[in-house]
Amino acid sequence: AQKVTQAQTEISVVEKEDVTLDCVYETRDTTYYLFWYKQPPSGELVFLIRRNSFDEQNEISGRYSWNFQKSTSSFNFTITASQVVDSAVYFCALSEAEETSGSRLTFGEGTQLTVNP
Amino acid sequence: DGGITQSPKYLFRKEGQNVTLSCEQNLNHDAMYWYRQDPGQGLRLIYYSQIVNDFQKGDIAEGYSVSREKKESFPLTVTSAQKNPTAFYLCASRLAGGIYEQYFGPGTRLTVT
Repeated sequence: AQKVTQAQTEISVVEKEDVTLDCVYETRDTTYYLFWYKQPPSGELVFLIRRNSFDEQNEISGRYSWNFQKSTSSFNFTITASQVVDSAVYFCALSEAEETSGSRLTFGEGTQLTVNP
Repeated sequence: DGGITQSPKYLFRKEGQNVTLSCEQNLNHDAMYWYRQDPGQGLRLIYYSQIVNDFQKGDIAEGYSVSREKKESFPLTVTSAQKNPTAFYLCASRLAGGIYEQYFGPGTRLTVT
């Protein structure tokens, strides 16, 4: 069975601070996919990034960066120079291959990030 | 504009009544999903469909039913058998044939009293 753990329930930072959101996953599959989504107060989930299990290259997109480490089963998300607009709930999710599970997502419980001015 | 629509945004029902939540997408996506979110929790999968006229149960299907008669539509019925129906319901869709991210609708907040 798959499992995603986001141990940080809530994080509060001051604007311009860097913040890292942790994500640890469990799966028995060798092929799997990891995702991060953002849920602003409006409720709609916004896709941020997808990473497959064969690609451990870190990725940077503007102020966002992701660190994928298979050795520790972690897929952490860092926001550099945080802004008030980054305040949201962030979810990490895991998906197995389409053939076995229809690419259904298993979500962590989310981390509520509050960026204070 | 392409996207996923869910209506209504807020829905109120009396206990014992069935209620159907709408989900429509014009993205030409093959697969569609229904998730439930409770306060302070992650999303849990209710049902999903990879093709028209076919669907599979997710982790918490009891008390729910779905249909997939058209590619663009995947309505969810919350029946009176669902013991705790009050929640935020999110619909998502995805292209099949590979691992593509799921795109989500704005959600429907259902309150049953």
